[in-house]
Amino acid sequence: ETGVTQTPRHLVMGMTNKKSLKCEQHLGHNAMYWYKQSAKKPLELMFVYNFKEQTENNSVPSRFSPECPNSSHLFLHLHTLQPEDSALYLCASSQGQGGTDTQYFGPGTRLTVL
Amino acid sequence: QQQVKQSPQSLIVQKGGIPIINCAYENTAFDYFPWYQQFPGKGPALLIAIRPDVSEKKEGRFTISFNKSAKQFSLHIMDSQPGDSATYFCAAADTSGTYKYIFGTGTRLKVLA
Repeated sequence: ETGVTQTPRHLVMGMTNKKSLKCEQHLGHNAMYWYKQSAKKPLELMFVYNFKEQTENNSVPSRFSPECPNSSHLFLHLHTLQPEDSALYLCASSQGQGGTDTQYFGPGTRLTVL
Repeated sequence: QQQVKQSPQSLIVQKGGIPIINCAYENTAFDYFPWYQQFPGKGPALLIAIRPDVSEKKEGRFTISFNKSAKQFSLHIMDSQPGDSATYFCAAADTSGTYKYIFGTGTRLKVLA
């Protein structure tokens, strides 16, 4: 595997379920990101980790819980989600956190909350 | 202040045409402007980026034009091909501060064969 991979690619869950999204980067990067992509809206930055430490929580509801056990893996734990949380969740990584450090995106997880 | 306004929302051109996608920003601290290309089922991928010290940057058939005084920048795709059909996002970042990219809402481009 190369680049940034995400699993699962599709997820359907009820409002009372608990599930997790997984992201893995094979680029040797130090920073990892979670974004939410909804139709006709800009990509919304959710969380940022740098060297496994969370450096940004963009006012995300607590029903989304990130975890970064090492610089290569990033998880997004989901519980008691709402239908409006249905979206494409993208993971990205970059060498550093500088503004010109190119962010490389995974293919995303398409989440549907029933 | 933190918004990047992108237009049009969608665009259809004939093969060989030159689609133009426009973005505008307010925050004068922004000094890095990448464009991302996203194909269906894929994540966005960096296409080309520009800094405001130049007015134009070309990479292959893709050109960014930058107007610092108007706080606008645009993407031109020369000799467009059906394979260019994708969604294009502009973004802006203040590199003196953080890694935060402020993205536009995206333009869905369709190039007809």
